[in-house]
Amino acid sequence: GNSVTQMEGPVTLSEEAFLTINCTYTATGYPSLFWYVQYPGEGLQLLLKATKADDKGSNKGFEATYRKETTSFHLEKGSVQVSDSAVYFCALSMGNTGGFKTIFGAGTRLFVKA
Amino acid sequence: DGGITQSPKYLFRKEGQNVTLSCEQNLNHDAMYWYRQDPGQGLRLIYYSQIVNDFQKGDIAEGYSVSREKKESFPLTVTSAQKNPTAFYLCATTGQGGETQYFGPGTRLLVL
Repeated sequence: GNSVTQMEGPVTLSEEAFLTINCTYTATGYPSLFWYVQYPGEGLQLLLKATKADDKGSNKGFEATYRKETTSFHLEKGSVQVSDSAVYFCALSMGNTGGFKTIFGAGTRLFVKA
Repeated sequence: DGGITQSPKYLFRKEGQNVTLSCEQNLNHDAMYWYRQDPGQGLRLIYYSQIVNDFQKGDIAEGYSVSREKKESFPLTVTSAQKNPTAFYLCATTGQGGETQYFGPGTRLLVL
């Protein structure tokens, strides 16, 4: 079946450090790929997405490239800030007869220290 | 403001009691979803509804029930059959295109 695997956290970085959160997926077909972010006590919100191979999603300094050959969608940011502290979820979405189904990874908690 | 509201923010359940979590949206989205989030885990799908008066079980529907009488509303009832209901419950919608999920702020359910 379809699945998403992302690196375990927590990830702890100092401000201005480089961030990578790894995400790999298994899917039959051609899913769209997403990164969602969850701040403490809140719901998830879309951070970025990519709908086909080699697409790069970007937002707020975060980037991820849809790599079909390695079935990966790693999240990167060149210089993190304290305000980036949150839980990050990788997800895929596939269409079927019942509409679209989204599968989420387990989430990676990021702590950024001043 | 367009968005998704969930109430209450915190909810306490006594043993043997049914409780209902509210989810309302004014985004005019057709599809609505309920997820359960446990600490350190991803989201698990409880129920979803693609259209009014229709809904389907997700991966962990046992002990839960839903209704979809209006497009704007998708309440979730946690029944006494759900033996481990303590969790963070998230409601979401998808619009036309159906891929990107929009989430409410969540309800945290605690058992007394």
